[in-house]
Amino acid sequence: EVQLLESGGGLVQPGGSLRLSCAASGFSFSSYAMHWVRQAPGKGLEWVSGISRSGGSPYYADSVKGRLTISRDNSKNTLYLQMNTLRAEDTALYYCASDPVDTSMLLRGYFDSWGPGTLVTVSS
Amino acid sequence: DIQMTQSPSSLSASVGDRVTITCRANQNIIKYLNWYQQKPGKAPKLLIYAASSLQSGVPSRFSGRGSDTDFTLTISSLQPEDIATYYCQQSYSTPRTFGQGTKVDIK
Repeated sequence: EVQLLESGGGLVQPGGSLRLSCAASGFSFSSYAMHWVRQAPGKGLEWVSGISRSGGSPYYADSVKGRLTISRDNSKNTLYLQMNTLRAEDTALYYCASDPVDTSMLLRGYFDSWGPGTLVTVSS
Repeated sequence: DIQMTQSPSSLSASVGDRVTITCRANQNIIKYLNWYQQKPGKAPKLLIYAASSLQSGVPSRFSGRGSDTDFTLTISSLQPEDIATYYCQQSYSTPRTFGQGTKVDIK
């Protein structure tokens, strides 16, 4: 059974940092591109970042570029999101999602499995 | 960025009704359109990918159609367990963008 489990969320002050993790099991992690998608309280879905299966091609939404860094460790079946210089508008439930389509610029794919999410709250 | 617009924003229908949700892109995305279902308090779930391909395990009452800029998700016979918010999402270009969602409930 495919399982994705996020961790690392919590309450952080504006300007602070957090590192999210997503542990994957039940599928060949290194064969999938991976993404982070967030959902602010009561709002819709927003794609945040994606990374190729090799880890060599990360992409970001403009709203997080330069502050958030996606990475992966295929030997540990784990996806990461390093979050720096956090702002109130980063407050959201952060989901990791797998994508079976690994193409240039991570195009043409879809999010076939999702974790339950981890909540990040940025507030003083 | 490609903008995705869904309509309606919400709808109420009776059990057994045929329900259709529309998603429009502001530029041609060919067939790179996916649909997700999100039940309250849960993570989204993939229903349809590449405009019309049914994800494994998804009931056949769900179907998708369309190409270029106009797409639809149809539930052929609405069931109580289909109460959820539905999102379209394009994967033609980065950033991947979602529609604002369509909330479906039972009349």
